[in-house]
Formats: sequence, structure tokens, C-alpha cells
Amino acid sequence: DAMVIQNPRYQVTQFGKPVTLSCSQTLNHNVMYWYQQKSSQAPKLLFHYYDKDFNNEADTPDNFQSRRPNTSFCFLDIRSPGLGDAAMYLCATRMDSTDTQYFGPGTRLTVL
Amino acid sequence: KNEVEQSPQNLTAQEGEFITINCSYSVGISALHWLQQHPGGGIVSLFMLSSGKKKHGRLIATINIQEKHSSLHITASHPRDSAVYICAVSVFDMRFGAGTRLTVKP
Repeated sequence: DAMVIQNPRYQVTQFGKPVTLSCSQTLNHNVMYWYQQKSSQAPKLLFHYYDKDFNNEADTPDNFQSRRPNTSFCFLDIRSPGLGDAAMYLCATRMDSTDTQYFGPGTRLTVL
Repeated sequence: KNEVEQSPQNLTAQEGEFITINCSYSVGISALHWLQQHPGGGIVSLFMLSSGKKKHGRLIATINIQEKHSSLHITASHPRDSAVYICAVSVFDMRFGAGTRLTVKP
């Protein structure tokens, strides 16, 4: 059963062309995370939502925005992708009563 | 210095070998996680530990809270075990190690 779903799995965009990645979950978890993972590196936390409260990491570029219209869905908007934004983007969810995060399959973003 | 250190970075083994991956951390944690990531794939949670030892099939994870150290063992390794294994700790968010790339050759 799919629990954390990310769409699309692969996204190709042009330099400077806005792109939106989506994440949905069937777990009813109240915490959702967006991570960026570049090749051969550990995932890097971009931001997270605790219920509706948005928490931005200090070093997340302004180019990256997020929306969470309801519990199930969370979006990552990259307003003007640069070549350096090419990466795997991972969504994860967690219930605040536990420590386990459930990861989606990721969206691999290519910037041309 | 990273908060979560893993060793080795890369590991090549022959099928059937016993494998150990080590993780040390320097922060107070509520739990430690071992994660598996196949090439081009998402992340799968293998274990979450706050003390002692857990076993799942051929995988064993141990943690020593006093020493801030954990190990992941794979017995009778198989080529399908080839993946990146990531140690992560829960501090509210997750702090990740750099991963260990395991290749098991037939």
C-alpha cells in the first residue's frame, strides 16, 4: 500500500522555469518534511510542517517555497531553478508521537 | 565535524560475507535510525533503535547509548543487499550520516 507518494518521479525543467513537486500521504501524519539530496550526499532538510506551522531551515534558499493546503498534501515550489538545484527531492512524514519518518520514493529533478 | 559519522564510506564484499557498518554520533538523541537507499530509489527505514539490539531477517542493528555508537550487521550478504546504508539520529528533525555505499559481488 502506498503511504507517501511523490509526483512526478522524474521532472525535467529548464533553467529559471518554475517547477512544483508534490507529496501526498495516506498516513494522516501531522509532520511533513522536504529534503534535498544531491549525488553521494546525505539528505539535507529544507523545511518542515508541524501541522500547519511552517518551519524553514536557516540555510534554505528563498528560491524554495512550500505549501501544505491540508494534512495529506504538501508541495515544493522552486521559483527559478538553477543548475545547482538538480537533485533528488525527498518527502517524509511522521506522527509527532513517534520518531519514525516515512519517506516517499523521491522526485529526481533535472535542470537543463 | 558532522554530528553523525559513518564508516566505512564504501564497502565491497563477496556474497556470503558478514558485513558491519558503524555509526557514531555526538548529539543527544531520542532514537537512531538505519535507512537503506537503492540506486535512484527512495529511502526505506530498516530499524529504529533507542537501546539494545534489533534483528530483522539477516539484518542486525545494535546501539550503545553510553558510547554514542551503533552498528548495522548483515549476515550472509547477497548482491541484492547492494545499496547505500544511512545512519540517522532523531533530534526533532533527522540528522543524517553521509552513508555507506555497499556493493556485494556474486
